[in-house]
Amino acid sequence: DSGVTQTPKHLITATGQRVTLRCSPRSGDLSVYWYQQSLDQGLQFLIQYYNGEERAKGNILERFSAQQFPDLHSELNLSSLELGDSALYFCASSVGTGGHEQYFGPGTRLTVT
Amino acid sequence: GDSVTQMEGPVTLSEEAFLTINCTYTATGYPSLFWYVQYPGEGLQLLLKATKADDKGSNKGFEATYRKETTSFHLEKGSVQVSDSAVYFCALSDSGGGADGLTFGKGTHLIIQP
Repeated sequence: DSGVTQTPKHLITATGQRVTLRCSPRSGDLSVYWYQQSLDQGLQFLIQYYNGEERAKGNILERFSAQQFPDLHSELNLSSLELGDSALYFCASSVGTGGHEQYFGPGTRLTVT
Repeated sequence: GDSVTQMEGPVTLSEEAFLTINCTYTATGYPSLFWYVQYPGEGLQLLLKATKADDKGSNKGFEATYRKETTSFHLEKGSVQVSDSAVYFCALSDSGGGADGLTFGKGTHLIIQP
């Protein structure tokens, strides 16, 4: 158990809908990262937050957004969903920035029908 | 941009065989390097890491050495077990400015037969 929790574990929704994925980092970790894992694209970094502020953006679509709250939990919002958004979404946390190891949650499997 | 290249497999070995999974990288700065393992239906677990040239990371019998001259971070284990069957990901963090999302290779599926 990494100490990173994600909810829900599974999510099934229809095209055009909007969903919110939630992540709680390990106790004491200030950085939260979101990743997408799909068969065709592999594991891709989406976005990083550090202590409530956006720190870096990766391959995140404009239809996707995220935020980190004062209690350090984070939410990833996916809107106008398409079939191609079906994937595993992982959250990871680390104590800070600068190459620290990242600890991953169990993931949320999103299926768009 | 940064990239990681690793053999994709599947790699099939017999129990107690020697394992090498190759990983090479391209980065603009001085990255930290990681190996993660993913068991079926689970998230990624950190296996080992190295933060500078010539560092050796090790854990659970696995080892990898950060080779700057060959831009490589090959994973090795002297004697594999059936329980090592999983997908292994090589990754780097090029953390200039504190922005350190990981760049992953495509993963190597390892199958160990009894």
